[in-house]
Amino acid sequence: SQQGEEDPQALSIQEGENATMNCSYKTSINNLQWYRQNSGRGLVHLILIRSNEREKHSGRLRVTLDTSKKSSSLLITASRAADTASYFCASGRGNTPLVFGKGTRLSVIA
Amino acid sequence: DVKVTQSSRYLVKRTGEKVFLECVQDMDHENMFWYRQDPGLGLRLIYFSYDVKMKEKGDIPEGYSVSREKKERFSLILESASTNQTSMYLCASSRMGQGHSYEQYFGPGTRLTVT
Repeated sequence: SQQGEEDPQALSIQEGENATMNCSYKTSINNLQWYRQNSGRGLVHLILIRSNEREKHSGRLRVTLDTSKKSSSLLITASRAADTASYFCASGRGNTPLVFGKGTRLSVIA
Repeated sequence: DVKVTQSSRYLVKRTGEKVFLECVQDMDHENMFWYRQDPGLGLRLIYFSYDVKMKEKGDIPEGYSVSREKKERFSLILESASTNQTSMYLCASSRMGQGHSYEQYFGPGTRLTVT
């Protein structure tokens, strides 16, 4: 399977600022998922957006999906030092394994 | 809460050894997955399983095999460990989707070093 791509590869912001990460994928999908990984740990599921949805919110997270452009974005508002982690998008298609991107490393400086 | 556990957090093995990595999930999930994660390469799927005794090759199965004798347990086997298999290994599980993919639950990872 071909991986998606996140952009940027790394992002450094000040606490309180918003962080935006983008994701592109290659094939048609049923849903697009975002995961977070703290250093040296497993991934944790954050949010899932279905292919017929354009925007979804969960707390300080906002995800958009543009299926015509095969892209998604994750916005974290009012970032905190504890948001420092790597963020991965994963595209889902039928009951086949998710295709993960390479991730964006976010650093939030207090 | 869904819990996925992996047998070791850190493991050091010698070249040529046979290595077993164990993964157990407690949510009765049908699907289980093994990934390796390397800097700059992201997550790469090694093998996955949709059911007991079933296995499917992922993107990089060479040098690995798997076993799923019970629904809750999925083992990754390195038949003869090599230094290029030094990596972080992540196990995950999910429900079986009816035409769509459910979220995956990950274990904490095993950092394997082969010397």
